[in-house]
Amino acid sequence: DTAVSQTPKYLVTQMGNDKSIKCEQNLGHDTMYWYKQDSKKFLKIMFSYNNKELIINETVPNRFSPKSPDKAHLNLHINSLELGDSAVYFCASSNRQVRNTEAFFGQGTRLTVV
Amino acid sequence: DAKTTQPNSMESNEEEPVHLPCNHSTISGTDYIHWYRQLPSQGPEYVIHGLTSNVNNRMASLAIAEDRKSSTLILHRATLRDAAVYYCILRDDIIQGAQKLVFGQGTRLTINP
Repeated sequence: DTAVSQTPKYLVTQMGNDKSIKCEQNLGHDTMYWYKQDSKKFLKIMFSYNNKELIINETVPNRFSPKSPDKAHLNLHINSLELGDSAVYFCASSNRQVRNTEAFFGQGTRLTVV
Repeated sequence: DAKTTQPNSMESNEEEPVHLPCNHSTISGTDYIHWYRQLPSQGPEYVIHGLTSNVNNRMASLAIAEDRKSSTLILHRATLRDAAVYYCILRDDIIQGAQKLVFGQGTRLTINP
């Protein structure tokens, strides 16, 4: 069973569209994250949720809105997509109760905006 | 954010040990040193972490300098599957329990057959 799964794996869409990426973890973790890896391969954190509460919100355009229906899911909705949004988006999870535990990452969603 | 410095790339041969260095001269007393790696077309994967003492697990060993200003990830016997980008990260800002991992450029490790 995949620990952190993201769908879709690939997403090609036109500028101006609205799209969502879904993430689910079956590890029983209470904290989930979204990271973005741009074309230069730098990985940067975007958001983090703990038990459905937003606790990390980096400088990300308002067009990006995370939604956590429960602690096992963290979806990323992007409005009015722009060319610069093209990147690989990784979901991750960790257990807040265990200090310095590792984070588990999904396989990524490659978003291409044309 | 605490900073780490790693070589851009390293190359080694299969079945030989690999030593991946990391400098973190501004490390604070409570920062843990984490290593992750990213295989091609995959998400980052946890490798190992430590605070002061050297650490071993099934994947690798972590040697931490006495002054904690540098560390070395050791792959004892590299395989082709170990070809990846390796990231040395100082565990940054546990914000309400969340782990904000700050990734640098990492070291791209190439393993020759």
